[in-house]
Amino acid sequence: AQSVTQPDIHITVSEGASLELRCNYSYGATPYLFWYVQSPGQGLQLLLKYFSGDTLVQGIKGFEAEFKRSQSSFNLRKPSVHWSDAAEYFCAVAPSGGSYIPTFGRGTSLIVHP
Amino acid sequence: DVKVTQSSRYLVKRTGEKVFLECVQDMDHENMFWYRQDPGLGLRLIYFSYDVKMKEKGDIPEGYSVSREKKERFSLILESASTNQTSMYLCASRLGASGNTIYFGEGSWLTVV
Repeated sequence: AQSVTQPDIHITVSEGASLELRCNYSYGATPYLFWYVQSPGQGLQLLLKYFSGDTLVQGIKGFEAEFKRSQSSFNLRKPSVHWSDAAEYFCAVAPSGGSYIPTFGRGTSLIVHP
Repeated sequence: DVKVTQSSRYLVKRTGEKVFLECVQDMDHENMFWYRQDPGLGLRLIYFSYDVKMKEKGDIPEGYSVSREKKERFSLILESASTNQTSMYLCASRLGASGNTIYFGEGSWLTVV
């Protein structure tokens, strides 16, 4: 079975600063990888996903993520954070076969200071 | 756009009550999910449905059951609500298996008193 770890429970950045949210996974093969964002009181929205090919993936709202097989990581980045990016971010990993049911990390809460 | 609608956003129920959480999706998706979200624990899968009348237990099915009589509707049932089931419940749907995007509803906040 797969597992995913988001080591940071909270991250605080200043508006305009760069951002990196960490995600590490455990799975025997190359998994399907996802980042979702959840604004307060809302459901989750997909930011980006990786299945295969180019290891640098572009998503919505100016986010990108890089798949590093050697480090079993799929970190999310943004060069300049806006106050509206304050939210909860979830990394998810799904097996590349079977039911493809994803496992979600515990989330990282992003706080943006003006 | 895909729309996943959870009809009840906020519910307060008493211990021992039977609770129904309803979810409807409008994109003819085969797969539907019910997750529970608690602070610090992320999302945990309660039940998954491959298609109509087909279901599979997730990681935390105890105390819950589900019903999928029509493709667009997936109901979560708490047979006898308990205070430890106070949580945010998220419904989601997906077009078939593979790595397709999972679309989430806005969630149902359930408080059991």
